Amino acid sequence: KAGVTQTPRYLIKTRGQQVTLSCSPISGHRSVSWYQQTPGQGLQFLFEYFSETQRNKGNFPGRFSGRQFSNSRSEMNVSTLELGDSALYLCASSLGTLGGASNQPQHFGDGTRLSIL
Amino acid sequence: TQLLEQSPQFLSIQEGENLTVYCNSSSVFSSLQWYRQEPGEGPVLLVTVVTGGEVKKLKRLTFQFGDARKDSSLHITAAQTGDTGLYLCAGPNVHGGATNKLIFGTGTLLAVQP
Repeated sequence: KAGVTQTPRYLIKTRGQQVTLSCSPISGHRSVSWYQQTPGQGLQFLFEYFSETQRNKGNFPGRFSGRQFSNSRSEMNVSTLELGDSALYLCASSLGTLGGASNQPQHFGDGTRLSIL
Repeated sequence: TQLLEQSPQFLSIQEGENLTVYCNSSSVFSSLQWYRQEPGEGPVLLVTVVTGGEVKKLKRLTFQFGDARKDSSLHITAAQTGDTGLYLCAGPNVHGGATNKLIFGTGTLLAVQP
């Protein structure tokens, strides 16, 4: 069974540019969450999508956005990149239910390493 | 605000030694998960503890959930070099309604020397 796939693995951008990251969840998983991981702040929740709807959002500026497609694949977009956006961006998928069973195992991809110059 | 503090932050030990990693909060969690993350990879779920006082064993790893469900510990017996990695505890956010949002701990970086 294929795991969570994130593309690209590495990305280098300059300040002011925008970037789109992609996440393909495990087949059958309907919930996709995005996290930002930095040495200083650790893993921080960005947002979660379930059945093409954003179900929850973390404390990040509006420059960070996402969407989910009907096949559960998800993208996140960061506009007007800043140096502080350099991080590992992780995507996690789970089966997901309407009730949002929070004990469900989260399956993480290997992330996209974004570097801002 | 739910926070999870892990200790120690860093740990360097010799192969064969035992160690314990702690995950503490002032908030009650309905469950806690433990993950291990190796360099260049995403976190991998090790275990989920749900019931206060619960103890789960995974080979040489023993996980315990505090009676009050505010803390958890991970004990590794006879550590091996393959145990090297970043250990993360995580719990579900209670303020977000129907969601899979996880609050992650600050992490413990373990290095097991041969």
